[in-house]
Amino acid sequence: QSALTQPASVSGSPGQSITISCTGTLSDVGTYNLVSWYQQHPGKAPKLIIYEGSQRPSGVSNRFSASKSGNSASLTISGLQAEDEADYYCCSYSGRDTNIFGGGTRVTVL
Amino acid sequence: EVQLVQSGAEERKPGESLKISCEASGYSFTNYWIAWVRQMPGKGLEWMGLVQPGEAETRYSPSFQGQVTISADKSIRTAYLQWSSLKASDSAIYYCARAHSSWYQDSWGQGTLVTVSS
Repeated sequence: QSALTQPASVSGSPGQSITISCTGTLSDVGTYNLVSWYQQHPGKAPKLIIYEGSQRPSGVSNRFSASKSGNSASLTISGLQAEDEADYYCCSYSGRDTNIFGGGTRVTVL
Repeated sequence: EVQLVQSGAEERKPGESLKISCEASGYSFTNYWIAWVRQMPGKGLEWMGLVQPGEAETRYSPSFQGQVTISADKSIRTAYLQWSSLKASDSAIYYCARAHSSWYQDSWGQGTLVTVSS
């Protein structure tokens, strides 16, 4: 069971939009629309920002959006802000009552 | 307000045992699973497994099956992660999180740092 594949880093200027990809297989992302995304600032616990593929929890900015196509999911952050600088992780149900995380993406605001 | 409060940092020697805890409040403890997630120093998140406190059912990632034991005591609203024989490679921050039936974790504990060193 290998981790989902994410780019190690993505950067953008304030106000720009960036997209983080999350590539899995037919055993996880490709079969189940159960991808969630987490934001983690240094030294802090992860925070849920997207669940069930594209749903935002209450209180999460609508600048965060997500989608899925085939074996890949993606997270878009629009109107990039300094506070968005953090690590982002995708996570997918992978069958047999287990989840699997992506390797994580460091977002840098230039 | 949903809260998960984890036990404090631990230092152990290789071969020793350890049990860390995660106390839940602010919701019906037996209606949700509790998941455990590992984060090794400078590395990403790894999903370890979870427990359903009401039924005491557990599920494990293949990577962690047989390496740790996850349990819960619903009478005190607490979930546990334990090792019978620690290795240096178990050094990490361990997070507990409330998990939904659609397999996402919406509330997280503050993390417990486990250091295993001779």
